Parts: sequence; C-alpha cells; structure tokens
Amino acid sequence: DAKTTQPTSMDCAEGRAANLPCNHSTISGNEYVYWYRQIHSQGPQYIIHGLKNNETNEMASLIITEDRKSSTLILPHATLRDTAVYYCIVRETGNQFYFGTGTSLTVIP
Amino acid sequence: ETGVTQTPRHLVMGMTNKKSLKCEQHLGHNAMYWYKQSAKKPLELMFVYNFKEQTENNSVPSRFSPECPNSSHLFLHLHTLQPEDSALYLCASHVDRGNYGYTFGSGTRLTVV
Repeated sequence: DAKTTQPTSMDCAEGRAANLPCNHSTISGNEYVYWYRQIHSQGPQYIIHGLKNNETNEMASLIITEDRKSSTLILPHATLRDTAVYYCIVRETGNQFYFGTGTSLTVIP
Repeated sequence: ETGVTQTPRHLVMGMTNKKSLKCEQHLGHNAMYWYKQSAKKPLELMFVYNFKEQTENNSVPSRFSPECPNSSHLFLHLHTLQPEDSALYLCASHVDRGNYGYTFGSGTRLTVV
C-alpha cells in the first residue's frame, strides 16, 4: 500500500549532507509526508513529518515541493550512525502507516 | 530506549510450542500495533488496537493471536508456528489523534525451528 517511490540505495560521505529523495505524485491534500529510519535489526525511528511547508528539527530537514509531489529528507552532516534504511510514507490522519522498501543509506568514512 | 519495551528480544521456538511476545508502553498512548518484518521485506502491519479494541486484522493466520488487556500492554500469542514465521516482530504505539508518528519498540527476533 506504499504510495511512494524511493531509490533503493544511496551512499554519502561522512560529514557531507545526505539528500534522500521521495516521489509521491498521487498524494492527496490531506496526506502528510513522514520519514522514518531503521537501523539494522532495530525498530523504525520517527524522524520528521510535514504537510506543505518545509520542516526542520534536531535530526533533519524536510523539503516538500510546492506541488507536493515529491520531497527530500536532508541530513545536514551525515555520520556513520546515520547508516540505515530510510522510509518515506504518506499518510492521512487516522490511517495506518504502511512501509515500503525504503532507501538504504550507507555513510562512508 | 524509546518508551516501548518488547520482551523477549530473541526467541527460538519449536513448531509445536506455545509462546507469547509482550509489548509495554507507559507513554500515555491509546493505540498499539503489531508489525512483522521478514528478511529483506517491508514491514507488514498485522494488528491494530485502539483503546484496547481490535480495529484491524490484516488477514493474519489464526496461529497468531493478539491480546490487549489495557492501553499499556499488548501481547502476541504464538502457537503451532511454521519456519516461515521466523521474523522480527515489532510493536508500536501511538496517540490516536493529531499527526504524531508511531513509537516503535526494538522488536523480538523470532526463530521457528
């Protein structure tokens, strides 16, 4: 039921910004964009979410295009501990979270 | 620690055994969930509980039996499992209002032999 498309894998040099793209061209007006990550064999961890405006917290920034058909998660200074699978999910309030296959991000020393 | 605690962390059981997985949260959340994650597959939503009532069962075989005695505790009772049921079982909780994300536990790694 995932309504998003993400690259299967990406690499990023340690200390550089990691930019993870997500396409959600069929997103509806009531659906939010959420990002989670899952470090190997642990439970997913909530990162950030947004509706229309760009959002920033202590972990990451979320950039949503004006037409809302795509978004980018930005980790400003990637560390080795950011190596994980990153999931982009669109969800309307009250509905469940359905996870796709995500992007496997490897931060390289 | 996320505030959602799952026990045990690892479990090996035979196909004729009966075991239970436990999930506990004291975050004041009123919705709880079981997910299954098989090797190299996406997370699959199994069961949803809101205010202790089961509101969703995603065609899960009856050898998996959930129980939610109160808003803080969730169990998954297992019996006569198959080797293909070996997976990481994840519990999550949520405040079922607003747009908050789920809080996940660390999971139970189940191996059926």
